Amino acid sequence: GENVEQHPSTLSVQEGDSAVIKCTYSDSASNYFPWYKQELGKRPQLIIDIRSNVGEKKDQRIAVTLNKTAKHFSLHITETQPEDSAVYFCAAPTPGGSYIPTFGRGTSLIVHP
Amino acid sequence: NAGVTQTPKFRILKIGQSMTLQCTQDMNHNYMYWYRQDPGMGLKLIYYSVGAGITDKGEVPNGYNVSRSTTEDFPLRLELAAPSQTSVYFCASSYQTGGWNQPQHFGDGTRLSIL
Repeated sequence: GENVEQHPSTLSVQEGDSAVIKCTYSDSASNYFPWYKQELGKRPQLIIDIRSNVGEKKDQRIAVTLNKTAKHFSLHITETQPEDSAVYFCAAPTPGGSYIPTFGRGTSLIVHP
Repeated sequence: NAGVTQTPKFRILKIGQSMTLQCTQDMNHNYMYWYRQDPGMGLKLIYYSVGAGITDKGEVPNGYNVSRSTTEDFPLRLELAAPSQTSVYFCASSYQTGGWNQPQHFGDGTRLSIL
């Protein structure tokens, strides 16, 4: 199976609703989990990350939660706005000791005004 | 502080031609990466480098070559371009020590079409 699985692949919400995207990973030794946002035609940009010594991190309307026992982490966006529409990617360390990440396949978030 | 700079931004190649995609970073990062992103898809790792003089294959290295003679530069070479190499190419860099625990910084990408 894949090292990182991301769900859902698409997510459509109304402005003001909350959105949640989940990623599962396979390597229990993983300790760093970033989330990237990619707007159409632009580069991926880091929006929030979490390390294994904490269970939750918030930055205004964005939060990330980590469950190390279940090996999954989630991106939470509250009070969504049309400018949140983008593709979101999670990443986790590739098993085997290399210092490279495996990216999830991405979630296309559409926020309807 | 420019971050990660890629050139060119756009390029059209004919089948069989060769070209080099340039990437430079000014953050003194040890790790550098090349990804390709096909329309509507995720990021696939082509090659990466852990420091000057050291490179290694990623998930999709066939048809590409890289070199890392300096910390700053990590060019990607396409030999004998094929239509399957039509894609957007992103270069990224990061500073890693003691494990993968720092974010990657991406360039703006090179949009390449092979006709």
